[in-house]
Amino acid sequence: NAGVTQTPKFRILKIGQSMTLQCTQDMNHNYMYWYRQDPGMGLKLIYYSVGAGITDKGEVPNGYNVSRSTTEDFPLRLELAAPSQTSVYFCASDPGSNYGYTFGSGTRLTVV
Amino acid sequence: DQQVKQNSPSLSVQEGRISILNCDYTNSMFDYFLWYKKYPAEGPTFLISISSIKDKNEDGRFTVFLNKSAKHLSLHIVPSQPGDSAVYFCAAGLTGGGNKLTFGTGTQLKVEL
Repeated sequence: NAGVTQTPKFRILKIGQSMTLQCTQDMNHNYMYWYRQDPGMGLKLIYYSVGAGITDKGEVPNGYNVSRSTTEDFPLRLELAAPSQTSVYFCASDPGSNYGYTFGSGTRLTVV
Repeated sequence: DQQVKQNSPSLSVQEGRISILNCDYTNSMFDYFLWYKKYPAEGPTFLISISSIKDKNEDGRFTVFLNKSAKHLSLHIVPSQPGDSAVYFCAAGLTGGGNKLTFGTGTQLKVEL
């Protein structure tokens, strides 16, 4: 059982480039989330989805876009990368209970 | 506005002793709370949770205590083991709000031999 899979694990982008962080889960969870973690900070919610076709903004959505065309996949798109987007990005899924998310292993992104 | 706070960035404990990690929150609407454990280069993993209708939940060596009047929760690990060395995040959620969680900044626990 793979759980939540994120790709790539590492990436270096130049300012102004764009990329898509991939996230897929095989647990048939309806809820999915994207968080970012900056050094010494907690996880901040970027976007979330409560089901296929439904997405909504979190606390720090600026500079990002998401889509949810299937239950399994929840890609995060960065347009016009900026140094402020240097961070570790975590995708997570949840069946809709209060029993805790399952997180992916993260993508470490550096924008130079 | 940091709604969930972990004021101790680090904690060092001897093996076999008790580890106590603390967390404070400001939003009285939160109705469930969780603790996550995170090793380097891995995603956080769920450890234990507690509903706001309870004041204690226990799972093996891990116990979470909730004091709603003080808006404070704590995680007790007894006995502490070297494998418990990790960053611990507390998180708070609001049922029906898309199950979104608000995380604290984390406490680095080091369990020494």
